[in-house]
Amino acid sequence: QVQLVESGGGVLQPGRTLRLSCAASGFTFSSYGMHWVRQAPGKGLEWVAAIWYDGSNEYYADSVKGRFTISRDNSKNTLYLQMNSLRAEDTAVYYCARDSHPSGGMDYWGQGTLVTVSS
Amino acid sequence: DIQMTQSPSSLSASVGDRVTITCRASQSISRYLNWYQQKPGKAPKLLIYAASSLQSGVPSTFSGSGSGTDFTLTISSLQPEDFASYYCQQSYSTPRTFGQGTKVEIK
Repeated sequence: QVQLVESGGGVLQPGRTLRLSCAASGFTFSSYGMHWVRQAPGKGLEWVAAIWYDGSNEYYADSVKGRFTISRDNSKNTLYLQMNSLRAEDTAVYYCARDSHPSGGMDYWGQGTLVTVSS
Repeated sequence: DIQMTQSPSSLSASVGDRVTITCRASQSISRYLNWYQQKPGKAPKLLIYAASSLQSGVPSTFSGSGSGTDFTLTISSLQPEDFASYYCQQSYSTPRTFGQGTKVEIK
């Protein structure tokens, strides 16, 4: 069965760096685009970034552009989110999700990992 | 960027009620519209993709309609397990924007 498992969340100070991972199993990871979506405490869903199945294209929300980098290692079935220059407003649960091309819906989600940015 | 506006932001309903949630896009997105359900402390779950296609395993009490800029999610007979938050999301272009959500509560 399809599984997405995020890791790497934690508590850190503003300006610091963190890398999230999303380990995929149960499907051919290299055939699917992937997304990161976040949810601040008590708030709605915010799309963060996406990457094509082969890593050839990346897309970002304006709120993270220039600070976050999405990447993938298809040999390890793993998706990453490198988060630099973290701010308090980046505090959220971060989910990875699979893109169900061609509709673009996100058909499988991980359980999420909490990132808290606080001084 | 395409803005997605859901209404209402919350509603109270009883088991067995018919519930309708609307989502409006700031520009035409054809049928690139998806609906998700989220329960507290859980990841979102895809209910409807491409405006009206039911995701595998989702009860037929859920249905979606619309195209262009106006879309609707309908729950034909609300069940106890349907009390949750619902989000629309466009997949026409990046950024893949979500609506602000609709919380369905027990009356």
